[in-house]
Amino acid sequence: GAGVSQSPSNKVTEKGKDVELRCDPISGHTALYWYRQSLGQGLEFLIYFQGNSAPDKSGLPSDRFSAERTGGSVSTLTIQRTQQEDSAVYLCASSLAVTSSGNTIYFGEGSWLTVV
Amino acid sequence: AQSVTQLDSHVSVSEGTPVLLRCNYSSSYSPSLFWYVQHPNKGLQLLLKYTSAATLVKGINGFEAEFKKSETSFHLTKPSAHMSDAAEYFCVVTSYGGATNKLIFGTGTLLAVQP
Repeated sequence: GAGVSQSPSNKVTEKGKDVELRCDPISGHTALYWYRQSLGQGLEFLIYFQGNSAPDKSGLPSDRFSAERTGGSVSTLTIQRTQQEDSAVYLCASSLAVTSSGNTIYFGEGSWLTVV
Repeated sequence: AQSVTQLDSHVSVSEGTPVLLRCNYSSSYSPSLFWYVQHPNKGLQLLLKYTSAATLVKGINGFEAEFKKSETSFHLTKPSAHMSDAAEYFCVVTSYGGATNKLIFGTGTLLAVQP
């Protein structure tokens, strides 16, 4: 597609339920990122995938959060037993392979998650 | 460690007047720096980026930024604000940790444009 595509765009879920958020990166981009944007707290790095390498999970806030990337393309972020503090916008981004020249990272429009 | 500080959380200007959004960075090596804009209920859009080429970088919608190593600054400017510029602006630095090219975001500056 032309840009990074995320679904759902909006999700309201009950506390304790699991949610899955999907990201379809730009075709040909091997690097994929998940960020979280909470109200008043800026953007927080969650996880990074690059090709077939082991993902960098250093930003995941707890073991309730996990992500996978199948076939080097589509990624799914899963939040188990959701809590109210998980309410945020979850942004996916992609870029060409990492180099030292600062490849542009392109963002999707985000999945707005509300836990009630 | 890399970090960015956006000095103003809110900036208000009148339409047609200049815009200045301030950003200072900290980096242990030559950084790559970006400005992203986020309109309400929209994703992040790249305005411009600096990657060790020309220090004055021109971006979309008439914005530009100047990399000043001596001042560790990367301020965003525009000569004349338009109503459509009202949005949140993020200054960003890259962080290279192993193979990861993370973006480290500033806390954002909300730009209001008054008619």
